[in-house]
This record gives sequence, structure tokens and C-alpha cells, in this order.
Amino acid sequence: QQQVKQSPQSLIVQKGGISIINCAYENTAFDYFPWYQQFPGKGPALLIAIRPDVSEKKEGRFTISFNKSAKQFSLHIMDSQPGDSATYFCAATYSNYQLIWGAGTKLIIKP
Amino acid sequence: GAVVSQHPSWVICKSGTSVKIECRSLDFQATTMFWYRQFPKQSLMLMATSNEGSKATYEQGVEKDKFLINHASLTLSTLTVTSAHPEDSSFYICSARDGATPSETQYFGPGTRLLVL
Repeated sequence: QQQVKQSPQSLIVQKGGISIINCAYENTAFDYFPWYQQFPGKGPALLIAIRPDVSEKKEGRFTISFNKSAKQFSLHIMDSQPGDSATYFCAATYSNYQLIWGAGTKLIIKP
Repeated sequence: GAVVSQHPSWVICKSGTSVKIECRSLDFQATTMFWYRQFPKQSLMLMATSNEGSKATYEQGVEKDKFLINHASLTLSTLTVTSAHPEDSSFYICSARDGATPSETQYFGPGTRLLVL
């Protein structure tokens, strides 16, 4: 119930391509879904977040697509660049503000 | 805005000694701070949640006597690893919530790498 399942575990995308990372959850009480980007040896940084009352949110090259009925959400990185190579974590939370984390996706953008 | 700092960024200590890690919110008041532990190539594992002025709430399996957390002010929380052993070697990360907004957003520090010899 508390899990957030993230896939794939790793992803290799050519420069300029679209990177897609998927997450699924069970607990319908979750009401905030952030994505974090983490570079090696650094703390996670908030990338973009969405609430379940919208189906899509876009910030620059990053888009979250949210499917409430399927309890799934995904991160799309358009025009992927080598600088986007990092580990990406999806998460979910509700009123107690504790983040429930996905397992992470290591993204490599090939030049 | 919303910057969280951690000090030190890395520390090496001998087995049996205690290590203190500081987490500061630089430009906001953090009513709630979280401490995480991360092993290589793994996700973040929540260790404890602390609210300013009250005792920390520890996650199941986390020894509260070993990992002492103090959240004495709205901008500072500390994690003390007491009698550290090699198995405590890890990457420790704190995060903080801005108490001035209703946002659930957590802002993360840069992490502290602990190596216990």
C-alpha cells in the first residue's frame, strides 16, 4: 500500500531523444507526487511535482504525465542532454509529509 | 531560495567514536526536518522525522540511542552517530520543509559521507 514502484532501473537514451520514467502507486491517499534528480555524491534536488487534480505539468523540457485512474505517473525529458545523466527518483506523499520513494532510475544520455 | 546546507560534507572516523552532522536551513524556517540514509545505488531510506522543539520520530528498525537527533531551532537539526562502527558508513542526507508555506516540498541538503574505519 505504501510502495511506489519505479521503472526502468536504468535507461540509456541518445542525445536529443525523449527519456521516459514510469512510476505506479497503490495508496489513493497520496496527493503530491514529486520527482527528484540526484547526481553522484549529491543530495536530491526537486525537479518537478504534480497533484492528482491535473493530468500533466510541464516545466521546460520536463513533463509529468499523471493518470489518476491507473494510479500511474511518468516523467518525460524532452531533447535529453548529457547533463541530464543522473539518477531520478519519483516519490509520493500525503498529509504527514513523509516521502515514499521509488527505487530510482539511472539515466545515461549518450552524446 | 530554499537552501539547505550540511556540515561536514564528508567525515572519516575511527570505530567507537561519535560523529555529529549538522543540517541548516539557510533562508527559511524549517518546522520539520528529515534524516535519510542512502546506500550505494539505492533509494533514500528515512531514518527519522524531527519537529522543532520536540523529540524525533524514528522509523522502525532505526536505533534512537545510536542515532541521536536534535532539532533545537527552526534552522538547525543535528544527527549524532554514537559509537560509530564500520556498518554505519553511509551517505547521510537531511531535508527540510518550509514551515511558512503549506507545501509538502522537501528541500535536501548536499549530504554527508561518513566512513568509519
